[in-house]
Amino acid sequence: GENVEQHPSTLSVQEGDSAVIKCTYSDSASNYFPWYKQELGKRPQLIIDIRSNVGEKKDQRIAVTLNKTAKHFSLHITETQPEDSAVYFCAASGAGSYQLTFGKGTKLSVIP
Amino acid sequence: EAQVTQNPRYLITVTGKKLTVTCSQNMNHEYMSWYRQDPGLGLRQIYYSMNVEVTDKGDVPEGYKVSRKEKRNFPLILESPSPNQTSLYFCASSFFRGSGRAFEQFFGPGTRLTVL
Repeated sequence: GENVEQHPSTLSVQEGDSAVIKCTYSDSASNYFPWYKQELGKRPQLIIDIRSNVGEKKDQRIAVTLNKTAKHFSLHITETQPEDSAVYFCAASGAGSYQLTFGKGTKLSVIP
Repeated sequence: EAQVTQNPRYLITVTGKKLTVTCSQNMNHEYMSWYRQDPGLGLRQIYYSMNVEVTDKGDVPEGYKVSRKEKRNFPLILESPSPNQTSLYFCASSFFRGSGRAFEQFFGPGTRLTVL
């Protein structure tokens, strides 16, 4: 089955700096890659997703890039703010599948 | 309001006492799933359902049962809970349009279970 590795497990940045979280996946047939944000004590919520026919997608301060050849995708957050502090999960879904395999998460801390 | 609800939100029980965690969604989603979240392990899928009366095992199904008798409900059953099932549980749902493409999963608020 699919295996998703996520790095780093913790990340601290100064407010205003950029943050990058990287994930690799094992199944070359995977075609859907969402990112979820989970604030302390809350449920995971989708912040951005990308499909395999697209290399990059942007939504205001967040962007996701996908490299199908290398089987990795990354989340980029620019101009970080304290409210970006949370745990971020990447996930991957294979062709013909509705199941998501999640990475282990990255705890992002934005220091004011 | 479109939402996924779970009950109870918190539960402390003892080993061996059967319990059920309910999950309900009002978005007419076909796909529903249960995850457990443990520190350092991320979200791991327990069971999922593609539609009424269609369920299948995820990555960590041992010790759990599910049923899908109605489209909106997907209860998680622990027939004989053990301490290693102490965890944070999330139900999620999404559309299933028969296209073989996954869509956004909407999560419930979570159920924190402690088994003594």
